[in-house]
Amino acid sequence: GENVEQHPSTLSVQEGDSAVIKCTYSDSASNYFPWYKQELGKGPQLIIDIRSNVGEKKDQRIAVTLNKTAKHFSLHITETQPEDSAVYFCAADTTTGFQKLVFGTGTRLLVSP
Amino acid sequence: EPEVTQTPSHQVTQMGQEVILRCVPISNHLYFYWYRQILGQKVEFLVSFYNNEISEKSEIFDDQFSVERPDGSNFTLKIRSTKLEDSAMYFCAGGRGAYQETQYFGPGTRLLVL
Repeated sequence: GENVEQHPSTLSVQEGDSAVIKCTYSDSASNYFPWYKQELGKGPQLIIDIRSNVGEKKDQRIAVTLNKTAKHFSLHITETQPEDSAVYFCAADTTTGFQKLVFGTGTRLLVSP
Repeated sequence: EPEVTQTPSHQVTQMGQEVILRCVPISNHLYFYWYRQILGQKVEFLVSFYNNEISEKSEIFDDQFSVERPDGSNFTLKIRSTKLEDSAMYFCAGGRGAYQETQYFGPGTRLLVL
């Protein structure tokens, strides 16, 4: 089945810097790759997603890139702000039955003022 | 903006007791999911549900677990006889479609089994 690896596990940046989180997946048939932000005590909130027919997608300070050949995708956050501090999870869909998401292990991002 | 809601937010129970976790999905969603997250670990799929039937379940979802949508709005997860290792955050999620569709997560229920 699908396996998703995520790096780094923790990332500390200064406010205004960029942050990059990388994920790799194993199932070449996966076609949907969402990114979720999880704040303390809350459920995962979708921040951006990308489908396999697109190589890059941007939404204001957040962008995601997808390389299907290499089976990896990355989250880029520019001009980071303290409120970006949270745990970020990448995920990939599966090709068995209805869509279920397989999550990465998470990246704890800390943005220092 | 509509949101997925879950109750209770926290539940403490004794080992061997039954618990029911409740979710109210967004009204136009048709596909429903339960995930769990053991403290400090990644979110794991438990079960998917469509048209009043289980579509897929993980190996975690054994005979002690069941799901139902009794009244067309609530979506419940029941654990018949809780074990210590069931302690986790349980998330309900829903979506409009089955493939490449966004899943919207609720805030979760933190279950502690003593």
